[in-house]
Amino acid sequence: DTGVSQNPRHKITKRGQNVTFRCDPISEHNRLYWYRQTLGQGPEFLTYFQNEAQLEKSRLLSDRFSAERPKGSFSTLEIQRTEQGDSAMYLCASSLGGGLQETQYFGPGTRLLVL
Amino acid sequence: AQTVTQSQPEMSVQEAETVTLSCTYDTSENNYYLFWYKQPPSRQMILVIRQEAYKQQNATENRFSVNFQKAAKSFSLKISDSQLGDTAMYFCAFAGGTSYGKLTFGQGTILTVHP
Repeated sequence: DTGVSQNPRHKITKRGQNVTFRCDPISEHNRLYWYRQTLGQGPEFLTYFQNEAQLEKSRLLSDRFSAERPKGSFSTLEIQRTEQGDSAMYLCASSLGGGLQETQYFGPGTRLLVL
Repeated sequence: AQTVTQSQPEMSVQEAETVTLSCTYDTSENNYYLFWYKQPPSRQMILVIRQEAYKQQNATENRFSVNFQKAAKSFSLKISDSQLGDTAMYFCAFAGGTSYGKLTFGQGTILTVHP
């Protein structure tokens, strides 16, 4: 069990550029979640996958955001035409099941800074 | 929609002492879980303890215990015999109803344990 990994750990980009983040969940975890955390705040839910199916998207996820989980393994989160307001920590978490009681295992996050 | 509120932005405690972190929530769901997650500085978020709403007995995990007051919608975390390694941001979180495990977090409380 190597834990949830995320790459890159840090990303600095200029406004208007596209960025893509990757999350590798714990193997055999069928649930994968994306959250966004701004400085000094709690994480906010963005979207989640059950295997390869994206089952829910938050209203926070504008049309500039897209997430995929091909083959139900790793996931990518892409932000197009980045804005300064997109600057945040993007957290990925995975869980073995989808029950309310399931422990979510979090990755270290990708910190995005949009200049 | 669920809301989670942590009214203590920062707390401090002396090593070996006991500290209590507060959390209140609002929901119309009957079936839900409450969690405390810990986010150490520059490290991944990890689960500390969870409580099922249907269980009247308060959850305990070693030095960590909760005081779950369902009618008051209160869910506080007590840390006994505080250790320097307990220094972290602590988040209260809710998962319930049809949320399929997605977490709603509070704003967090920064806990500093002093030697």
